[in-house]
Amino acid sequence: GAGVSQSPSNKVTEKGKDVELRCDPISGHTALYWYRQSLGQGLEFLIYFQGNSAPDKSGLPSDRFSAERTGGSVSTLTIQRTQQEDSAVYLCASSLRLAGGFNEQFFGPGTRLTVL
Amino acid sequence: AQSVTQLDSQVPVFEEAPVELRCNYSSSVSVYLFWYVQYPNQGLQLLLKYLSGSTLVKGINGFEAEFNKSQTSFHLRKPSVHISDTAEYFCAVSASNQGGKLIFGQGTELSVKP
Repeated sequence: GAGVSQSPSNKVTEKGKDVELRCDPISGHTALYWYRQSLGQGLEFLIYFQGNSAPDKSGLPSDRFSAERTGGSVSTLTIQRTQQEDSAVYLCASSLRLAGGFNEQFFGPGTRLTVL
Repeated sequence: AQSVTQLDSQVPVFEEAPVELRCNYSSSVSVYLFWYVQYPNQGLQLLLKYLSGSTLVKGINGFEAEFNKSQTSFHLRKPSVHISDTAEYFCAVSASNQGGKLIFGQGTELSVKP
């Protein structure tokens, strides 16, 4: 079946512009995660959605970052007034979240964001 | 809060030699432990995981890792590496009470030379 997909695969933008990154999780997966992979900071957790619960936004680096998940499926990560330090690969992952125990996260290929 | 330290940023090794990639973690609550692999220009793939039970876990491609609670370590090993094992390896933890979000180490670049 189809895996996690992300679009665009590459995005180049100018400093100060807003960008939207999209994630399509695996069908039926109720949990969705965003991570950022950058040279200076490694892999960082950004935000987590689980069903209809309030998202865990504890990893968002500033109020310029926001994300939403519509209808429990597709998610959009928005970065407002982009800065050069936002340049990174943004990864999305999804998993089932059955009660108790562990559920493997499946990662998408990422969106490479370059802020000029 | 949890944190993960991968002690080596780069590990060069010759083909067919054994390798160990080191990982230490800290956490005030119980955690699950993982190793992910990222091949060049590809996404992250789960290599193996420790959830509970036997402290020696086996993963794909002949890798294994041992959970050592007293030393808070989860080192990854392979007895004989191949050129195709060249990749970046990430150790990660997930607290059992935090929805599954992963906290990653900085990564170890394994370079296997002929």
